[in-house]
Amino acid sequence: QVQLVQSGAEVKKPGASVKLSCQTSGYTFSDYEIHWLRQAPGQGPEWMGLINPKSGDKNYAHTFQGRVTMTRDTSISSAYMALSSLRFDDTAVYYCARARVYDSNGYYLYYFDYWGQGALVTVSS
Amino acid sequence: DIQMTQSPSSLSASVGDRVTITCRASQGITSYLNWYQHQPGKAPRLLIYAASNVPSGVPSRFSGSRSGSAYGTDFTLTINSLQPEDFATYYCQQSYSYPYSFGQGTKLEIK
Repeated sequence: QVQLVQSGAEVKKPGASVKLSCQTSGYTFSDYEIHWLRQAPGQGPEWMGLINPKSGDKNYAHTFQGRVTMTRDTSISSAYMALSSLRFDDTAVYYCARARVYDSNGYYLYYFDYWGQGALVTVSS
Repeated sequence: DIQMTQSPSSLSASVGDRVTITCRASQGITSYLNWYQHQPGKAPRLLIYAASNVPSGVPSRFSGSRSGSAYGTDFTLTINSLQPEDFATYYCQQSYSYPYSFGQGTKLEIK
């Protein structure tokens, strides 16, 4: 069965960096984009960006440009997300999610069909 | 960026009720709209994709629809005959353009 297993919770000081992992199994890693999202307390999810495991192409939300780096290791079917210059408002649960494509008469819609369990990142002095 | 607005932000209902949650996009997104259910401590779960498609494994009491303009700005999630496990927070999400965006959520509570 498809699984995305994320690394554990992190506590960081302001200005530090964090790197989270997302280990996948149960499907061909290179066939599906991996997206990263986060959810701060009391808010809806926020999309951070994506990486195409096959090509390595990335697309980052402009909100995180310059601070986020997404990478992958195809040999172990894993994706990574690093966020630098952490601020207090980066405290959130971070998720990786697999994106599946729905082809409707030439229109390609993506949706998140499997998610990791989430990793709480707390930024605290 | 496309803004997604859900209403209501919270809703009280009883087991067996039928509830409707709406989602409005700040610009037309045709049918590039997905719905998710989120329960505390769990990962979000896909309920509906492409406005009205129900993935396998999702109960048939969940349905989605699109209304409004031909460009697609107004969407509805309907849950028929609420079950105890349906009390959760629901989010709509557009995948029409980057950055993908979510509504602020609708918390469904037991009356």
